[in-house]
Amino acid sequence: GAGVSQSPRYKVAKRGQDVALRCDPISGHVSLFWYQQALGQGPEFLTYFQNEAQLDKSGLPSDRFFAERPEGSVSTLKIQRTQQEDSAVYLCASSLGLAIYEQYFGPGTRLTVT
Amino acid sequence: TQLLEQSPQFLSIQEGENLTVYCNSSSVFSSLQWYRQEPGEGPVLLVTVVTGGEVKKLKRLTFQFGDARKDSSLHITAAQPGDTGLYLCAGPSGNDMRFGAGTRLTVKP
Repeated sequence: GAGVSQSPRYKVAKRGQDVALRCDPISGHVSLFWYQQALGQGPEFLTYFQNEAQLDKSGLPSDRFFAERPEGSVSTLKIQRTQQEDSAVYLCASSLGLAIYEQYFGPGTRLTVT
Repeated sequence: TQLLEQSPQFLSIQEGENLTVYCNSSSVFSSLQWYRQEPGEGPVLLVTVVTGGEVKKLKRLTFQFGDARKDSSLHITAAQPGDTGLYLCAGPSGNDMRFGAGTRLTVKP
């Protein structure tokens, strides 16, 4: 496809379940970012990959959050033992170069933890 | 504490009116970006401003970067219902892109 795609678009999880969110960036894009967007707020940075290397994970809120991009293309954000406060939209963005400008965002995955 | 403060938080106007929304910070940014986000979608980049005092126009939208590169504004002339959405400003901070909380604009026909 032409843009960034994310799956699933919606996920409902019971508290304590593990979830995996997938991001397919634009083909050839070197940089990939994950953001968390709570209701009524702007996106907040979670983590950044340059190809397969995770260069910054300072925004991950706890050790229950884990992200990987093993082959430098598709990325997965995993949340273990989900909590209600994890409910949010998780956005993925990619950019062609190494800089953080010109990011193209996917539609997001809306996670609801009950 | 938000690094970027946006105001107003909500704005509801009639079609044809003009409006200005603001993005302010106590920090200096090398650049600022403006995005529009519609429900169920990710943010879409509208413009990047880089030089202090810079003004960029995108059809009916005018973006200005403050002289000190701490603030920016977005002015919309003759707003249309299609302008409805969440307007976000964002600035780079290391590897991060820091976003404001956004201004939610509703333009009524």
